[in-house]
Amino acid sequence: ETGVTQTPRHLVMGMTNKKSLKCEQHLGHNAMYWYKQSAKKPLELMFVYNFKEQTENNSVPSRFSPECPNSSHLFLHLHTLQPEDSALYLCASSQEGRGKTYEQYFGPGTRLTVT
Amino acid sequence: AQSVSQHNHHVILSEAASLELGCNYSYGGTVNLFWYVQYPGQHLQLLLKYFSGDPLVKGIKGFEAEFIKSKFSFNLRKPSVQWSDTAEYFCAVNPLSGSARQLTFGSGTQLTVLP
Repeated sequence: ETGVTQTPRHLVMGMTNKKSLKCEQHLGHNAMYWYKQSAKKPLELMFVYNFKEQTENNSVPSRFSPECPNSSHLFLHLHTLQPEDSALYLCASSQEGRGKTYEQYFGPGTRLTVT
Repeated sequence: AQSVSQHNHHVILSEAASLELGCNYSYGGTVNLFWYVQYPGQHLQLLLKYFSGDPLVKGIKGFEAEFIKSKFSFNLRKPSVQWSDTAEYFCAVNPLSGSARQLTFGSGTQLTVLP
């Protein structure tokens, strides 16, 4: 148990579908992140939320829409995706603050396939 | 923007061989440094971290890494690998100025240990 859970673990969707990925952290952290992991490429940071406020959006297409209703939950809403969006989507959390080490704890990921 | 280079994309070793995986980063300021490991079918886990003090840090499962500031390097080592060390290893850098949440990852090194 990593303390960060993600559902679903696998998702297959068509390009016209709308789906959502869910992440929950049980670590009492105040920051949460979405990453995209594609084969042979570095992890790409997509979004950062700190105290429920989005603080970073790394030029992510609008077909990805994050939502952070509270410090423990993070969603990624997906609509009209492209086949190149197929990847492993990872959620992470960390405790932000003075003197903290900013190490991030990762969930198991959602393997997304866009057909 | 900072970048992280892992020059070895795939390393194959026999059990009991010594391991060294290279990691170089481009950021000139103070940084936190991390190595994460991803075992087959599992989530990313923190292997070890450096943020200050002794540049030789020890992590879990017999791994260690040495921070050499003059070389902008943070190489991972293990004196004797085991079959169970087969995994993908990621180096990550977190600059301590600007956007402190911005963990930048390398592209990963796949380690295969032959029994």
